[in-house]
Order: sequence, then structure tokens, then C-alpha cells
Amino acid sequence: EPEVTQTPSHQVTQMGQEVILRCVPISNHLYFYWYRQILGQKVEFLVSFYNNEISEKSEIFDDQFSVERPDGSNFTLKIRSTKLEDSAMYFCASSGYSGGDEKLFFGSGTQLSVL
Amino acid sequence: AQKVTQAQTEISVVEKEDVTLDCVYETRDTTYYLFWYKQPPSGELVFLIRRNSFDEQNEISGRYSWNFQKSTSSFNFTITASQVVDSAVYFCALILMDSSYKLIFGSGTRLLVRP
Repeated sequence: EPEVTQTPSHQVTQMGQEVILRCVPISNHLYFYWYRQILGQKVEFLVSFYNNEISEKSEIFDDQFSVERPDGSNFTLKIRSTKLEDSAMYFCASSGYSGGDEKLFFGSGTQLSVL
Repeated sequence: AQKVTQAQTEISVVEKEDVTLDCVYETRDTTYYLFWYKQPPSGELVFLIRRNSFDEQNEISGRYSWNFQKSTSSFNFTITASQVVDSAVYFCALILMDSSYKLIFGSGTRLLVRP
């Protein structure tokens, strides 16, 4: 089965530092997403991305966050100045179509620890 | 607003017991999808099932079965003859049919299957 690949699997950073989380979605997919899971809590939607622009974002996704598809294969999430509360597992996902009539493929996640 | 409630925070069973994980959802929309995901200790999100709001047929896949009842807004998940490898956190999720893939997750149920 095709896979969404996320790197690194763990990232440790100092508060105030910029961090970039990387994802390689499935090659023929058009819709890309980031989700976040704070330890022990539910998975939360951050942002969806289609046709090189954000299609929807949650209230969590403030000005500190940005997403980019810098080339034909990568999809990145940048946190400009990390805060302690940004510590979480970040999941990238992709789908061929929008909406639920399609399986959403999740990556295995990047565990971000902000010290 | 949409909401998914998984009232069972943690369930512990002995291997070979049957176990049912409850999921109750809220939405005013008549068209939506419901999902179950498994999160093993390794942390990734594993897709288990997707069900659309027009299809109330119950589904069975091996030891797994799902009971969808629109009348009670529930989408419960039963594992028959549980095994230690079933130990994981299980998330129920909802998406509106006309939205992008903004999954709304429940808070999850941690299942521990003891040998």
C-alpha cells in the first residue's frame, strides 16, 4: 500500500526556534493536510492545502504556522517561533480527492518536543 | 457544530473477551462520513473503516464489526475474541461530506488486552 513519509520521526528544539517538519505525500495525491496530537489528547485538524494554497485552517493554525509545497514532492509545516505548547505529534496526510469519499492516508508522525 | 464523543477513556479486558467501543456523534448535516482509526503504541494512525451516512448496514471484517445507528447517532466498534495485539488507542472521527478532509476526532478509547 502507498505511504505518506514524514521526517524526522523525532525533533527536539529550543523555545523560540524555527522548526520545519517535512512530509512526502503519496505521489498522485492532490490534497494535503496537517494534524496535531498533543500527548494523551485527541487528534486535531490544523490545515488543508490544495492547488498550492490553503483551503481551510483551524483556529490553532495562527501566524506562527505556515505550509508550503516547495517542489513536486514535499509538503512542509513551518513553525516560526516555537512555544512549549507546540510540543505534540504532528501528522501529515494526503488524499486524491477532497472529502470523505476517499481514504485519507496518514504518515507515521513527527514527535516535536519544545524545551 | 460537529462533535464526536467517546465516553470510555480506557477499557481493560482479558484476551479472547469481546469488547465494544462506543462512539456518539453530533452533526446537523445529513450527509457525512464516520471513521475508526487505530493508534498502536508506535504512534501511527491506522485506518480501519469509513462509513457514509446513507449506509446503515452493519459491517464485519474478520474479528472487527461496526454497528451504525443513525437513530441514536452512534457508530460502535466491536472486537470479537480480542488479542493482545489489539491493545491500542482507538479513535472515532467524523467528516462532513461536502468539506475538505477536516476530520473531527473523538478523544479516543485506550484498549488494553491482557494475556
